[in-house]
Amino acid sequence: AQTVTQSQPEMSVQEAETVTLSCTYDTSENNYYLFWYKQPPSRQMILVIRQEAYKQQNATENRFSVNFQKAAKSFSLKISDSQLGDTAMYFCACQSNTGNQFYFGTGTSLTVIP
Amino acid sequence: DTAVSQTPKYLVTQMGNDKSIKCEQNLGHDTMYWYKQDSKKFLKIMFSYNNKELIINETVPNRFSPKSPDKAHLNLHINSLELGDSAVYFCASSLGTWNSYGYTFGSGTRLTVV
Repeated sequence: AQTVTQSQPEMSVQEAETVTLSCTYDTSENNYYLFWYKQPPSRQMILVIRQEAYKQQNATENRFSVNFQKAAKSFSLKISDSQLGDTAMYFCACQSNTGNQFYFGTGTSLTVIP
Repeated sequence: DTAVSQTPKYLVTQMGNDKSIKCEQNLGHDTMYWYKQDSKKFLKIMFSYNNKELIINETVPNRFSPKSPDKAHLNLHINSLELGDSAVYFCASSLGTWNSYGYTFGSGTRLTVV
């Protein structure tokens, strides 16, 4: 079974600053995908960014980027120029090619302070 | 057009009642899921269907029964509702059981059992 760990239950950041959310995972598979999802107070789950494990280059989507360390099984999310709309729960998830489901972390609640 | 739509968004009901939550996706995906998010925001998979075939059936009470009349629909029926069933239930879909695009989630159904 896979496990995904988010060790920071809550974080806060000043508007316009940069924040990094941590995620570690455990899988015995060689091929897998990693994701960050955002859940704002509206409850909707929104895909933020994804990373394919066989790609060494870190994924980037506008102000969001990841630091993928495959050997360390670490997949952190960096949010640059934080905006008030970034306030949300952030979930890290892992899916291997032998599994039919995602394994989610327990989430990090991020608050952007004006 | 909503990609994954769940109805109802809110459901308040008394213990012992039977209720259903409906989910429909118009993305052409062939795999659909039900996840339960508890009060601590933890996301746990309940069921998954691929082309109307049940492929994931996690340990949930048999009061929960999924039904997939076609690959665009996955409904969840719950018998004899209990207080502990109060949660947010998310439907999701994906293209195949493993892909790099992740899930598309519905907006969730907040079930409150009183």
